[in-house]
Amino acid sequence: NAGVTQTPKFQVLKTGQSMTLQCAQDMNHEYMSWYRQDPGMGLRLIHYSVGAGITDQGEVPNGYNVSRSTTEDFPLRLLSAAPSQTSVYFCASSREGMGTSNQPQHFGDGTRLSIL
Amino acid sequence: SQQGEEDPQALSIQEGENATMNCSYKTSINNLQWYRQNSGRGLVHLILIRSNEREKHSGRLRVTLDTSKKSSSLLITASRAADTASYFCATRGGSEKLVFGKGTKLTVNP
Repeated sequence: NAGVTQTPKFQVLKTGQSMTLQCAQDMNHEYMSWYRQDPGMGLRLIHYSVGAGITDQGEVPNGYNVSRSTTEDFPLRLLSAAPSQTSVYFCASSREGMGTSNQPQHFGDGTRLSIL
Repeated sequence: SQQGEEDPQALSIQEGENATMNCSYKTSINNLQWYRQNSGRGLVHLILIRSNEREKHSGRLRVTLDTSKKSSSLLITASRAADTASYFCATRGGSEKLVFGKGTKLTVNP
């Protein structure tokens, strides 16, 4: 199994451009989420999904859109890139996402995004 | 805002020594998880402790949880250079969200 696969690994954008970060998992996990990691800030939740067709906002959703049309894929879209969105983005999945879930999350290796 | 806060922010020890990292959180939880992140990689799950558990072991890892103090500790015994990484605690309350702390950067010198 590949686990959680993120593409691309690196990307440089200009301010105002849009792009989609791809995330795919092959573990048939219901729960998927996107985090951004900035120096000294740890991981902050952007958006998450508890199953196909269901998404919700996390801590820092502004400037990002998500959709979940299949169980496997959870793309993150930057609508109009800003320098403040320069970060490392991680996608994660777990077997279930109910509030009392004791399932660990499986992470991809991240997308390093720079916005000039 | 972050739920968990790790302490210390950075820790440097010699190979063979024990490493202890602490995590404090603010609200009631269902479970607390510890993750490791090697440089340039994603996070890897290490251990999960439920709110009704006080201690858990996994190989050289020992995690304790004190819900009355809203704190947890991660002990790595007989550390190795390969343990050099950042370590994060993450808490899950009654919502769908897993909230991460800012991490402790551990350096194990050979």
